[in-house]
Amino acid sequence: NAGVMQNPRHLVRRRGQEARLRCSPMKGHSHVYWYRQLPEEGLKFMVYLQKENIIDESGMPKERFSAEFPKEGPSILRIQQVVRGDSAAYFCASSPLPTSGTDTQYFGPGTRLTVL
Amino acid sequence: DAKTTQPPSMDCAEGRAANLPCNHSTISGNEYVYWYRQIHSQGPQYIIHGLKNNETNEMASLIITEDRKSSTLILPHATLRDTAVYYCIVRVIASGGSYIPTFGRGTSLIVHP
Repeated sequence: NAGVMQNPRHLVRRRGQEARLRCSPMKGHSHVYWYRQLPEEGLKFMVYLQKENIIDESGMPKERFSAEFPKEGPSILRIQQVVRGDSAAYFCASSPLPTSGTDTQYFGPGTRLTVL
Repeated sequence: DAKTTQPPSMDCAEGRAANLPCNHSTISGNEYVYWYRQIHSQGPQYIIHGLKNNETNEMASLIITEDRKSSTLILPHATLRDTAVYYCIVRVIASGGSYIPTFGRGTSLIVHP
């Protein structure tokens, strides 16, 4: 059973360009989470999605960031008009349907975004 | 929402047990304690979780105090590859009923030869 896959692993963009980060959850998992980790800091929750549905986006910046998890295909985190402050590692995690108040998240290897 | 407190760093000799403490004094009755770790530059890795009973798996043991206000993650025979940041998390129920874990700074464990 393949784990959570993220691509690209490294992404370089110039200021003002768009960045698209992809996440394929583990087989059988219907929930996807995106996190951002700035250098030397902890993980910060961004958004939680189910197929075709955003459940919680309380951690998403109000502008330039969006996320989707279509019926077919991977989840996409999109950052428009990137700025240097967007440089970070972006991690995706997936989990099965939560039951009994618990759902273990399995993380991908991350995408390291560098904005020049 | 329960918050956790962990020491910022610890060290351990290779082959010895590593005991990582976590305080979660405001945990509520239906919140689980989870442990993850993050080896440098990699994605976080699930280790173990529990509600009130002690738990053990192939990676570690989790000891939760009877009042559930603290817990200890035990790596019975630490190796150099266990050097990582260890995060203790309790589930936070966010809006919409979702379960969003809050990752703090964790404990940086260094295992030395």
